[in-house]
Amino acid sequence: GQQVMQIPQYQHVQEGEDFTTYCNSSTTLSNIQWYKQRPGGHPVFLIQLVKSGEVKKQKRLTFQFGEAKKNSSLHITATQTTDVGTYFCAGGKGFQKLVFGTGTRLLVSP
Amino acid sequence: DAGVIQSPRHEVTEMGQEVTLRCKPISGHDYLFWYRQTMMRGLELLIYFNNNVPIDDSGMPEDRFSAKMPNASFSTLKIQPSEPRDSAVYFCASTDRGQAFFGQGTRLTVV
Repeated sequence: GQQVMQIPQYQHVQEGEDFTTYCNSSTTLSNIQWYKQRPGGHPVFLIQLVKSGEVKKQKRLTFQFGEAKKNSSLHITATQTTDVGTYFCAGGKGFQKLVFGTGTRLLVSP
Repeated sequence: DAGVIQSPRHEVTEMGQEVTLRCKPISGHDYLFWYRQTMMRGLELLIYFNNNVPIDDSGMPEDRFSAKMPNASFSTLKIQPSEPRDSAVYFCASTDRGQAFFGQGTRLTVV
């Protein structure tokens, strides 16, 4: 079945450092979504990418969808303690089956 | 809208007992997903519905798990009999083909 892997599994950075998580799918995706889950919380939608090679920005966050639509990345510039949480990518074929990646847990020290 | 509502928030039960988790999706959303989250296995898709019809239940771990969606505003996930390895946080999410909205989750502990 479809598998979506993320690396790294865990990253600990100092506040102000950059952070990147990578998402790789075993199959071509129709779209990719990114979610953030705070400790003890539930996943919250961040963004959706649909087009091959698409790049979107939200303040300090930059999201990219690969040309082959099988991989994606999330880059955070100058992390803040409020960025702490687990970041998931999610995607599927034809949208319907929303399969989540393994997640990257980010810890930010002040 | 109050968002996706799950109940109960916490459930502690003894091994062998039946457990029923409930979900009320956002009105107008035609897709409903059930996920299970554990440290070891991450966020697993168990089953999803479209217009109340189960589309893919390949993620349901065993016959002990069953899910229903009798109408557009209600879904249940039942485990019978429950086992300690079923302990996890169970999330329900709904969507209208855009972003998925998650409920607060049900933390299930089977002792």
